[in-house]
Amino acid sequence: GENVEQHPSTLSVQEGDSAVIKCTYSDSASNYFPWYKQELGKRPQLIIDIRSNVGEKKDQRIAVTLNKTAKHFSLHITETQPEDSAVYFCAATRGYKLSFGAGTTVTVRA
Amino acid sequence: IAGITQAPTSQILAAGRRMTLRCTQDMRHNAMYWYRQDLGLGLRLIHYSNTAGTTGKGEVPDGYSVSRANTDDFPLTLASAVPSQTSVYFCASSDSASSTDTQYFGPGTRLTVL
Repeated sequence: GENVEQHPSTLSVQEGDSAVIKCTYSDSASNYFPWYKQELGKRPQLIIDIRSNVGEKKDQRIAVTLNKTAKHFSLHITETQPEDSAVYFCAATRGYKLSFGAGTTVTVRA
Repeated sequence: IAGITQAPTSQILAAGRRMTLRCTQDMRHNAMYWYRQDLGLGLRLIHYSNTAGTTGKGEVPDGYSVSRANTDDFPLTLASAVPSQTSVYFCASSDSASSTDTQYFGPGTRLTVL
C-alpha cells in the first residue's frame, strides 16, 4: 500500500516568514495529493490539492509543488499569520483510500 | 448548513462494551469513510463504502464493523471495545470513489475505552 512520510513533525516560524512542509510517497501510481489543516479540537479541512498532471498550484498565500519523478510534494505558506498555527497533513492516493502523513504542527510566533 | 454530522461528540466506554458511532451526511455523496486519529500517526482508514450497500476494509479494520443501508448513514460499530481503540474517530464523505474527489470530514467523536 501507499506510505506517506511527512517532515518536519513540528515547525515554528516568525510571523511574516514562510513555512515549508515536505512529504514523500511510495506508490508511483498515486495521482492526487491533498493537504488538510486541522486546528485544535476541530476537523481536518482541505486547504489545497494537486493532481498528478500539474507541477504546481497556488491559492493566495498557499502553494503546493509536486515532483512525480522524485515522488515528493511540498506545501509552502508565505507571509505566515497567527491563524496559520495548526496541524497540517499531507495525503496521497491513487484510489479512494487516502494515505496520510503523520502531520506537522506549525506554530507562528507573533 | 449541509455537511456531515457525527454522534456522540465524546464517549467514555468500559472495555468489553458494544458501541456504535453514528455518521450522517446530507450532501448525497456516494462514498463514505471512517478514520481514526492517533497522536503521531495521522489519520488511518478503518472502513469505507463506495456506494450504498457496499463496504470495504481499510488499513486498520480489526475490531470494527460498518454498514451502509442507505446513502446518508454510515455507522461504525465496536463489537467489544478494547483500550487500544481509544482514539478520535472521523467520518468523511466524497462525491464518488474517484481518486481525485475531495473528502469532507465530520467533526469527530472522541472515544475513551477504560
